[in-house]
Amino acid sequence: NAGVTQTPKFRVLKTGQSMTLLCAQDMNHEYMYWYRQDPGMGLRLIHYSVGEGTTAKGEVPDGYNVSRLKKQNFLLGLESAAPSQTSVYFCASSPRDSVYEQYFGPGTRLTVT
Amino acid sequence: GEDVEQSLFLSVREGDSSVINCTYTDSSSTYLYWYKQEPGAGLQLLTYIFSNMDMKQDQRLTVLLNKKDKHLSLRIADTQTGDSAIYFCAEKNGGFKTIFGAGTRLFVKA
Repeated sequence: NAGVTQTPKFRVLKTGQSMTLLCAQDMNHEYMYWYRQDPGMGLRLIHYSVGEGTTAKGEVPDGYNVSRLKKQNFLLGLESAAPSQTSVYFCASSPRDSVYEQYFGPGTRLTVT
Repeated sequence: GEDVEQSLFLSVREGDSSVINCTYTDSSSTYLYWYKQEPGAGLQLLTYIFSNMDMKQDQRLTVLLNKKDKHLSLRIADTQTGDSAIYFCAEKNGGFKTIFGAGTRLFVKA
C-alpha cells in the first residue's frame, strides 16, 4: 500500500514549456486535490476532484488544468509555465465525506526559469 | 473571508514544552486540525478536534480550543529533536474546502 505517490519529485522548466504532474493513490479514495505551497504561505488549493471524470477549480486555478480519467489518478498540467509557478506541488486524497484527514503525497518541487 | 494565522517560527530546548498557536476567522468552523510536515515530505495529520470540544489529549500532544476567541493551540510535552518540523493549523466548516495556515517552523535545540 503505497498511499499517495507523485511523479516527478523535481523538475526544472523554462518559461513557456509545458509539463504534467502525476498523482496516484491506491486507497480507493473518492476525493483528490492539488495544492501549491509557497514560502510563508499556507497550502493553496489549485483544483480538486470529487470523483472520476469530475474536476473543479480551487483557490488559484489560473495557468493549470487537471484531469481525472481514472479514480486512482489525478493529473495537473501546466500548458505554458511561468516563473510565478515555481513552487512545491502537493497532491492529496481523502475518502468521501471524510472529516478527518487528507492523505498527502511527498510533493513535487518545480522551478521555472 | 476565511483565514488561518500562525506565527512563523518557534524555538525551544529539548525536554521543554512547545506551544504553537493559531487563530482562525471562520466562526462556522467545525473541524480543526494540526498537520506536521517533515523536511522533504508531505503533510501528515497529527491530531484534530471538533468544535464542540475544548480540549483533546493524545500522548504528548494537547490541543486546546477557545471558540469564543477563535484560538487553537498545540502543546507538545517533552519536546524532542525529532519534533523539529513545520506544523500547520487547518480548519474546515463541513464543506469541501480545508483552509491551512502558513505553518510554524519548530526548532528544537539539543
